[in-house]
Amino acid sequence: AQSVAQPEDQVNVAEGNPLTVKCTYSVSGNPYLFWYVQYPNRGLQFLLKYITGDNLVKGSYGFEAEFNKSQTSFHLKKPSALVSDSALYFCAVRDSNSGYALNFGKGTSLLVTP
Amino acid sequence: EAQVTQNPRYLITVTGKKLTVTCSQNMNHEYMSWYRQDPGLGLRQIYYSMNVEVTDKGDVPEGYKVSRKEKRNFPLILESPSPNQTSLYFCASSFSTRVNEQFFGPGTRLTVL
Repeated sequence: AQSVAQPEDQVNVAEGNPLTVKCTYSVSGNPYLFWYVQYPNRGLQFLLKYITGDNLVKGSYGFEAEFNKSQTSFHLKKPSALVSDSALYFCAVRDSNSGYALNFGKGTSLLVTP
Repeated sequence: EAQVTQNPRYLITVTGKKLTVTCSQNMNHEYMSWYRQDPGLGLRQIYYSMNVEVTDKGDVPEGYKVSRKEKRNFPLILESPSPNQTSLYFCASSFSTRVNEQFFGPGTRLTVL
């Protein structure tokens, strides 16, 4: 069975500093990994995904994520955080060996302070 | 504009009164899905559909029904709502491969008294 974990409920970062939001996964086959962001009172928006190839994936709004197969991780990163990045971030996984179900983590609240 | 729409956006109802939350997408996506979002639990998949007349259970299907009679619509039906179904519900759609990202609707906040 596929699963994903986001070990931090909240991440606090000062504006201008780098940020990392952590995600680890468990699959039996190959993982298809996604990051989404949710702003207050809004639906989820797609940020980036890893399917295959280069372990460093670049996405929207300056975000990137690094796929690490040995550590089964897919951490979201940004070199310089903005106050407007404050939102709820979700990691999600599909397993190449399973059907089309998509499992989300519990979410990490990112707070960027001025 | 490409979008997923949900109606209603807010709904307060009472236990046992049947309700339907509609979902529609204009992107010709094959795959559609329903999620509920609860504090501390993240998003949990209720049902999904690979195409017309093809549906499958997600992680938390109990108490819910779905149908997919047309490609663009995927209504969520609560035949006898209970207070534990009070939640924020999202519909999503995508093209039907495992590698495609999903597009989400704006959400429906449901309160069952």
